[in-house]
Amino acid sequence: EAQVTQNPRYLITVTGKKLTVTCSQNMNHEYMSWYRQDPGLGLRQIYYSMNVEVTDKGDVPEGYKVSRKEKRNFPLILESPSPNQTSLYFCASSLGLAEETQYFGPGTRLLVL
Amino acid sequence: DAKTTQPPSMDCAEGRAANLPCNHSTISGNEYVYWYRQIHSQGPQYIIHGLKNNETNEMASLIITEDRKSSTLILPHATLRDTAVYYCIVSAYNFNKFYFGSGTKLNVKP
Repeated sequence: EAQVTQNPRYLITVTGKKLTVTCSQNMNHEYMSWYRQDPGLGLRQIYYSMNVEVTDKGDVPEGYKVSRKEKRNFPLILESPSPNQTSLYFCASSLGLAEETQYFGPGTRLLVL
Repeated sequence: DAKTTQPPSMDCAEGRAANLPCNHSTISGNEYVYWYRQIHSQGPQYIIHGLKNNETNEMASLIITEDRKSSTLILPHATLRDTAVYYCIVSAYNFNKFYFGSGTKLNVKP
């Protein structure tokens, strides 16, 4: 089954404790992206990757890192999480062309205390 | 980058057509109109997209005005499961600027 998976689905952590949220897709998609969703602010793009080893900042990249060492995986790294990073996070992938849709993962709900 | 304007909420009776409007007056010639929806806090789900012509698939129809400054998503026979937030997005290729905005909360009522 074609899908985007994220782990963990729920995470409670404390300020400053490094964490990684994994994202994996099995559709051989070139393009992958991370979004965060907060009440009243909709979905905002954090980082995106056009291909392996190619990443770029979205609209809200501060406090986040990403890597794209292989096509299927695009982990989101919070080196020193802060409470303002408490949010719902979504990973997405697509072939990267205008005619292609984005497929979204199920989301990761993060709480930083 | 083009932005969109959508009503914050709409109601629709079950079995009736739901017509969701979207204004995108600053859309560029190479930008597509996409519609996604989000049910509760699940990952957004693709519905339909178009460039100039009207489009139809098994889920919905997309009507784009001739000047491309607005569009309408039509769910022909809304069901309770169509209750969701619907996002209208305009974007050029490669999705590196994919703004979801606030969307329209569609409430389908029995």
